[in-house]
Amino acid sequence: AQKVTQAQTEISVVEKEDVTLDCVYETRDTTYYLFWYKQPPSGELVFLIRRNSFDEQNEISGRYSWNFQKSTSSFNFTITASQVVDSAVYFCALSEVRAGANSKLTFGKGITLSVRP
Amino acid sequence: NAGVTQTPKFRILKIGQSMTLQCTQDMNHNYMYWYRQDPGMGLKLIYYSVGAGITDKGEVPNGYNVSRSTTEDFPLRLELAAPSQTSVYFCASRPRQGSNQPQHFGDGTRLSIL
Repeated sequence: AQKVTQAQTEISVVEKEDVTLDCVYETRDTTYYLFWYKQPPSGELVFLIRRNSFDEQNEISGRYSWNFQKSTSSFNFTITASQVVDSAVYFCALSEVRAGANSKLTFGKGITLSVRP
Repeated sequence: NAGVTQTPKFRILKIGQSMTLQCTQDMNHNYMYWYRQDPGMGLKLIYYSVGAGITDKGEVPNGYNVSRSTTEDFPLRLELAAPSQTSVYFCASRPRQGSNQPQHFGDGTRLSIL
């Protein structure tokens, strides 16, 4: 069975600090996809990034970066120079990939990030 | 583009009442999903559908029913509302091709059972 663990439940930082959100996953599949979603206080779910299990390259997008390491089954998310607008709940999710599969997402419990001015 | 539209946004029900949460998408996506989000628990899959006429149970289906008569619509029905069904409900969709495609989520329905 798939499992996503986000051990951090709440993180509070001061604006301009860097912050890393941890995600550890479990799967028996050799091919899978990992996702990060953001849920701001308004409640909608916003897709941030997708990574497939074949691609361990780290990715940077502006102030956001992601570190995928298969050896430790981790897909961590770093926000550099955090801003108040980054305050949200962040979810890591895992999708199985099999022929004819329904690609259900397994979500972690989420990390509530508060960025103080 | 409307994307995934959920109605209503908020609703209060009495125990034992029934209601239908509506979800429609205009992206011609084959796959649709219903999740519930409880505080501190992430999202859990209730039901999903891979196309019109095909539905299947997710992780927490008890107390819910779904139907998929068209590609666009995927309503979720609560027959006998219970306090344990107080939650935020999200509908999502994605295209059939590519398991790596992200699911597109609606804005959610906040449901309280009193």
